[in-house]
Amino acid sequence: SQKIEQNSEALNIQEGKTATLTCNYTNYSPAYLQWYRQDPGRGPVFLLLIRENEKEKRKERLKVTFDTTLKQSLFHITASQPADSATYLCALDASGTYKYIFGTGTRLKVLA
Amino acid sequence: DADVTQTPRNRITKTGKRIMLECSQTKGHDRMYWYRQDPGLGLRLIYYSFDVKDINKGEISDGYSVSRQAQAKFSLSLESAIPNQTALYFCATSDLKGAHGYTFGSGTRLTVV
Repeated sequence: SQKIEQNSEALNIQEGKTATLTCNYTNYSPAYLQWYRQDPGRGPVFLLLIRENEKEKRKERLKVTFDTTLKQSLFHITASQPADSATYLCALDASGTYKYIFGTGTRLKVLA
Repeated sequence: DADVTQTPRNRITKTGKRIMLECSQTKGHDRMYWYRQDPGLGLRLIYYSFDVKDINKGEISDGYSVSRQAQAKFSLSLESAIPNQTALYFCATSDLKGAHGYTFGSGTRLTVV
């Protein structure tokens, strides 16, 4: 069956460290993968999109990698801050029609 | 004004009642989506519309219906609400390829008692 897996356990890290979140998928061959941030009770907010032919994408303190062989994307936040505490969702274009399927998200808590 | 506006923000309704959730957008996008979010299950697609004349079922459409009244408006109806439809509902829009991501509304928290 098709699956998107994100670590359901919360990730706690110290302020200033790099946070790394993982998104694994099976039985998909997405051309695009997106990452979102979601705060409690709010809608997800788009952060980054990476294409299958891109190995890495950066935006300010954020970095995303996309390994189509491993079927995995990593999402990094460098120099993390308490304000980065949120749930982070990955989403992929499962059908080639630019209709995205979402993972369940990983909750990140940055400790001051 | 928000790019994607959902009304109401919160709603408590009784089992068996009909309820409509409304969504309007100012992004000028053709594509609109309805998702529900439950703890541990993430966002699940209920219905989506690629343009005004195109409506498609998502993975969990049973018990729901939609109407695309205009490019900017996409409403979700629960014809006869049941308690397991209690959830957080999100509307979203995107351009053709989603290259700039989906833009989500602030959500409607629906409780069916």
